[in-house]
Amino acid sequence: AQTVTQSQPEMSVQEAETVTLSCTYDTSESDYYLFWYKQPPSRQMILVIRQEAYKQQNATENRFSVNFQKAAKSFSLKISDSQLGDAAMYFCAYRSAIYPGTYKYIFGTGTRLKVLA
Amino acid sequence: DGGITQSPKYLFRKEGQNVTLSCEQNLNHDAMYWYRQDPGQGLRLIYYSQIVNDFQKGDIAEGYSVSREKKESFPLTVTSAQKNPTAFYLCASSQSTDTQYFGPGTRLTVL
Repeated sequence: AQTVTQSQPEMSVQEAETVTLSCTYDTSESDYYLFWYKQPPSRQMILVIRQEAYKQQNATENRFSVNFQKAAKSFSLKISDSQLGDAAMYFCAYRSAIYPGTYKYIFGTGTRLKVLA
Repeated sequence: DGGITQSPKYLFRKEGQNVTLSCEQNLNHDAMYWYRQDPGQGLRLIYYSQIVNDFQKGDIAEGYSVSREKKESFPLTVTSAQKNPTAFYLCASSQSTDTQYFGPGTRLTVL
């Protein structure tokens, strides 16, 4: 069975600085998707970034980028120029891309990010 | 606007009562999901459905039931058999090879 591990329950960053959130996963599959979701105090889950395992290039979305290391099964999220609005819970998630298969998503336990003014 | 709606936003229930949480999507997604989130915790999968008239148990299905009679709708019933139902419930949907999108959630409190 696949697992997703976020080893940092809480992180802090100064406004305008850069922070990296860690995520590791375990799978025997070769094709899958990885995601980072943000959950602000409103509790609405918002997609931050998505990575397809077959793509070598790391995904980027404005100030958010990932470091995807497939061999190491690592998928870290880097937030540059941190803003107060980035304060939230961040969840890493995995989904198999094997067809036919399950559409089940596996979530990590989350990292709470605090942004200090 | 396309999206996922959940109603109500807040729900109160007396012990021993069943209650149904609504989830509707107009994204034409095949798959729908229900998650439970407890304070400071991650998401735990209750049930999911990959196609109409079919659904599978997730990790914590005991005390819950679902139906998937229409593609757009995936209601969750919290039964009296669920021992600790007070939690935040999130509904989500996805297309077969795409990202999962979430509704705004329902906060259920048992009085």
